[in-house]
Amino acid sequence: EPEVTQTPSHQVTQMGQEVILRCVPISNHLYFYWYRQILGQKVEFLVSFYNNEISEKSEIFDDQFSVERPDGSNFTLKIRSTKLEDSAMYFCASSEGLRGETQYFGPGTRLLVL
Amino acid sequence: AQSVTQPDIHITVSEGASLELRCNYSYGATPYLFWYVQSPGQGLQLLLKYFSGDTLVQGIKGFEAEFKRSQSSFNLRKPSVHWSDAAEYFCAVVPRGQGGKLIFGQGTELSVKP
Repeated sequence: EPEVTQTPSHQVTQMGQEVILRCVPISNHLYFYWYRQILGQKVEFLVSFYNNEISEKSEIFDDQFSVERPDGSNFTLKIRSTKLEDSAMYFCASSEGLRGETQYFGPGTRLLVL
Repeated sequence: AQSVTQPDIHITVSEGASLELRCNYSYGATPYLFWYVQSPGQGLQLLLKYFSGDTLVQGIKGFEAEFKRSQSSFNLRKPSVHWSDAAEYFCAVVPRGQGGKLIFGQGTELSVKP
């Protein structure tokens, strides 16, 4: 069964450093998402991406964040200058369509900012 | 305010006992409704979803959920819990007419006693 994959599974970085989290969505899916879950809190939407552009973003997704689909398979989340509060589990998801289509999630990348 | 509420943070049941996890939502129009499960170290897996029609929805792993419009609820049930069901369960919605982002409840952690 096709699945969403994410790399790395864990990342430790120093505050102020740039990190890139990578995702390979399911191949025939058209919509891509990033969510995050701070330890002990609920899963929060960050951004959705369709047709090579951001379709929706949350208040969390400020200028420090960017997303890109550099080729036909990868979908990346970049944090330019990490802060302590960026420490969280980051989930990538993909779906065939919008508005209730099932979103399939990857296993997540646990980011720790020191 | 629009929200998804899971009133129970942690539930413990005995193996073989029945289970009901509660979810309430507060939206003007009934959103698309989902239940996801997250096992330790794993991503989020869809258990079931409700868009319209029959209010009793069957999912994977023997789970079902019932949509009750009058109560704005979408409770998850299982007649007989197995030890492998121990995990965190998330109720989530996609509000109609607001793009495709999932909005999650706080989650309910399920422990299963032998």
